[in-house]
Parts: sequence; structure tokens; C-alpha cells
Amino acid sequence: RKEVEQDPGPFNVPEGATVAFNCTYSNSASQSFFWYRQDCRKEPKLLMSVYSSGNEDGRFTAQLNRASQYISLLIRDSKLSDSATYLCVVNNAGGTSYGKLTFGQGTILTVHP
Amino acid sequence: NAGVMQNPRHLVRRRGQEARLRCSPMKGHSHVYWYRQLPEEGLKFMVYLQKENIIDESGMPKERFSAEFPKEGPSILRIQQVVRGDSAAYFCASSSNAGQTYNSPLHFGNGTRLTVT
Repeated sequence: RKEVEQDPGPFNVPEGATVAFNCTYSNSASQSFFWYRQDCRKEPKLLMSVYSSGNEDGRFTAQLNRASQYISLLIRDSKLSDSATYLCVVNNAGGTSYGKLTFGQGTILTVHP
Repeated sequence: NAGVMQNPRHLVRRRGQEARLRCSPMKGHSHVYWYRQLPEEGLKFMVYLQKENIIDESGMPKERFSAEFPKEGPSILRIQQVVRGDSAAYFCASSSNAGQTYNSPLHFGNGTRLTVT
């Protein structure tokens, strides 16, 4: 079983649609959780951190369920510029606290006019 | 306020040659990470370094790969006797402290794309 699993998609949605991505992780000792986006094999960029209580940043909402080891990202009112690969990322450094990140394979999103 | 700088952007090597990838962290950052992204795969952790020290190299292949972060100058990822399977994008990231807790995220460079012919 992969440490971080995502549905690879691709997701093709029209502008204005709402789309949700899911992710599961296998290491129950994982400490912190993130969503990154990656455009056309460029460097990954932090989209948002994911907190236990859930958090929102504009059109983006992230949820974490530690009991189920499940993370989600909801994008409302999709824009063309949201087209990218979305990476579910978990910090699996165990008892340490440094940036040893485990990346999911990514979910491809294409937003069309 | 330059970000993480990696060079070269693209590197072509023949099988058996050596590849040297350089990473200059953001100003004030003393923690450096290397990640590799093989074609059609996710990023994989390779190594974590602080100045003059390798802290965690659990993701590095046992042979041919080495990394350093000297007191002066950039971090270097070195691949000796490259093979076709080494073709990938290599990303460097830096942070001001241990990194990627919620308050100190990693900042990634734009990567070096290595092609082995």
C-alpha cells in the first residue's frame, strides 16, 4: 500500500464547478498535512496546510480526519487558472519534526471554459 | 529577495558520466532538502542536510549518489556513473529551521531536469 494515495484523475470540469479531491495516508504517526499544486512539472507550491479542525482559504476548503487517515480538498467556483496537478502531502518524519515529506502521486485537474 | 536557486535548469549526460546539481537556499535558510520526481511519479524525499551535516539520507540510493552542504557555497547533489533510470526532475527545498511544520514550510526551487542519454 502506498503511503499517500490519491485518485490520479484526470478531473475535467467546467468553469464555476465545484470539485473535490480525496487522499488517504497509511502512517498514523503522521504529524502535519498539506495540499500543494504543481503546474506543468514546475516546482510544487504550497496551496494550504490542513488542520484537524478543517480550514478554508477563499474558494479552497481542506478537511482532515485523523481517525480515518483521510484528507480532502474542495475547490468551489473553479477558475481556468486552477488547472494543475494537486498533491496531497504528509509529513512522515515520525518523532522528529523536519521536512521529510511524503507526496501523493497527484490529481490532475483541468478546468475548461 | 531571491528564492531557492537551482542550476542548471536542464542537464544532459551520457551514461557513465557524472552529474552535479547545485542548490542555493533562500537567504537565511540553513536547512536543505533534495527530492526527486521520476516521470509520471510523485516527488520522493532523498536527503536532508544542515550546514556541513547530513541529517537524514534514508531516501538516497545506496550507490552512486551523494550530497553535501558545505559551510560556504551551495548544496551539491552528485550522481556518479549516471544511468538512464536517473533521468528525472530533482528539486531542492530549503527552510529557516527544521521545516514543514505549519509555521515553517519548505520553499522549493524550480528544479534541475536531468536527462541521461
